[in-house]
This record gives sequence, C-alpha cells and structure tokens, in this order.
Amino acid sequence: QVQLVQSGSELREPGASVMVSCKASGYTFTSYTLNWVRQSPGQGLEWMGDINTNTGNPTYAQGFTGRFVFSLDTSVSTAYLQISGLTSEDTAVYYCARDFTFYCVGSSCQRRFDSWGQGTLVTVSS
Amino acid sequence: DIQMTQSPSSLSASVGDRVTITCRASHTIYTYLNWYEQKPGKAPKLLIFAASDLQSGVPSRFSGRGSGTDFTLTITSLQPEDFATYYCQQSYSAPLTFGGGTKVEIK
Repeated sequence: QVQLVQSGSELREPGASVMVSCKASGYTFTSYTLNWVRQSPGQGLEWMGDINTNTGNPTYAQGFTGRFVFSLDTSVSTAYLQISGLTSEDTAVYYCARDFTFYCVGSSCQRRFDSWGQGTLVTVSS
Repeated sequence: DIQMTQSPSSLSASVGDRVTITCRASHTIYTYLNWYEQKPGKAPKLLIFAASDLQSGVPSRFSGRGSGTDFTLTITSLQPEDFATYYCQQSYSAPLTFGGGTKVEIK
C-alpha cells in the first residue's frame, strides 16, 4: 500500500538548519508530485509548495522562498525539505503529502492529497 | 490568493447528530474543493475530493456538496470516531489554500 514515512523529530537552535525526509513506498515515486504542508502549534494547515518528482522542479508558496529548499533522491524514492536560518517561528509539524492530480483545465487542476506522511516535529529553541 | 473561510470554527454535537460544516471561497473555484479530517497528533486524511466525491474507504455518512464559492461537508449520524478537526482545501489556483478548520467536539 502507499506509504510516506518521514524522519523523526528534530530540535535545533536558532540560526541552524534542518533536513526532513519523506520516503515513499507502494507506488512509482516519479509518477506523483509531492507537497509539503506546515502546521504551526495549535494552528491550521499551510501549503508550502510542491516538487515535481519527475523533473525535480520545485514550486514554493509565498513565504517559503529563500530559506526553504525541496529536493529529491529518486534512487531511494525520497523527498527532502531543508530549512536554513531557523527561527522560533519555524517550530511546527511538517508533512509531506502525495498529490493525485486527475485532470487539468488550463492551469487549474483537480488535485487531492491522498496520502500523507506521519509528520515531523521541528522545534527551534535555544 | 484564494481565501477559504470555514464556519463554524468549532461546534459541539452528540453521537447520532447530523453535522454540517460550511466552506466559502473568496473567488469561484468551481468544484476544485477537497475536505480532510485531522485527529489530534495525526496527519490529515482525505475524505472528499472534487467537492462531492467520496474517497475510497471513507464511510458513506460523509458527503460533500457545492460549487462556485459555497460548499458544505455533512456528517449524518455522527460517530465517536468523527470527533476531529475538518479542513477544506481549494486546488483551483496556486497557492493551494486551506480553510481555518472546524473542530467537532463532543457535547
């Protein structure tokens, strides 16, 4: 069955960097875009952007440019989220989610996040 | 960006109740609308896609309706395992955006 397994919780000091991994199994990794979603403590869901697992092309939402980098290692069916220059505002649970796009009309696509990783808690504290 | 507004932000209901949650988009999104359920400490789970299509494995007591800017998620006969937070999400245009969530609590 489709599974996304993320790396474990991380504790970092302000200014440091962190890398979160998301390993996929049960399907062809390069056939589905992967998304990253942030959930700050007690808050809702925020789409950070996505990465085309076929081309490696990332798309970043506003507010997630510069310090955030999406990358892939297709040889091990794994996506990565790297965050640099961490601040306390980056403390959150980060999820990866598989994107099932089933049709597009122009630039609008029926997309759904049909499988999610378990989430990785990143805590930034001195 | 398309803003998604859910109401209410929370509600109290009893087992067996019928519950309806509303999601409104700031611009038309046709039927590019999904619903997710999230339980504490867990990842979200897809319930409904394309406004009204039930994801495989999701109980039929969940249903979605709407198009354009106004959408609803209805749970008929609320079950104990349905106490959770529900989010809508639009995929009509990037950035993909979620509603603020509706927490369904036990009365």
